[in-house]
Amino acid sequence: SQQGEEDPQALSIQEGENATMNCSYKTSINNLQWYRQNSGRGLVHLILIRSNEREKHSGRLRVTLDTSKKSSSLLITASRAADTASYFCATDDNYGQNFVFGPGTRLSVLP
Amino acid sequence: ETGVTQSPTHLIKTRGQQVTLRCSSQSGHNTVSWYQQALGQGPQFIFQYYREEENGRGNFPPRFSGLQFPNYSSELNVNALELDDSALYLCASSLGSGAGYGYTFGSGTRLTVV
Repeated sequence: SQQGEEDPQALSIQEGENATMNCSYKTSINNLQWYRQNSGRGLVHLILIRSNEREKHSGRLRVTLDTSKKSSSLLITASRAADTASYFCATDDNYGQNFVFGPGTRLSVLP
Repeated sequence: ETGVTQSPTHLIKTRGQQVTLRCSSQSGHNTVSWYQQALGQGPQFIFQYYREEENGRGNFPPRFSGLQFPNYSSELNVNALELDDSALYLCASSLGSGAGYGYTFGSGTRLTVV
């Protein structure tokens, strides 16, 4: 089954800096989503981007999608300590019925 | 509008026992998906229910089973518990089946098998 793979596995930055996380996947997709998870709790939906879209914004978040490279990136601008969490990309499975999650990037924003 | 509610929040079971986890979907959502998340890993898809029917299943053995009720709430049942079943179990609801919808996740049930 296709699966997104986030990179890096862990990222540590200072408050105010930008954080960039990448996701690569193996086969063609229809949709890609990014989620955040705080301390092993439930996941929070951030952005859904469709295969015919190249970029989406939501507040301090920017997601890009490059289907030719089978990759996506999540940019968090002007990071805050509250952004400390694990971030996951999820790609639709081979049947387009459900999402397959990658192992995640653990982001630490230091005050 | 209420979100997704899961119960219980924590559970300790003995190997070989059976467990039932419950999920109330967000108002207006007719689809529920269940995920297992081991420590330090991404969520793994168990199965999805759409309008009371199973609508896709991941690579989990038959001792993992589920139900969806007319009000779209759902249960996950695991029989013959094994130590490796220890994980965070996440329920997510969505407006429809298919990967074009964003999921609303509950806070999860932390299952420990001893």
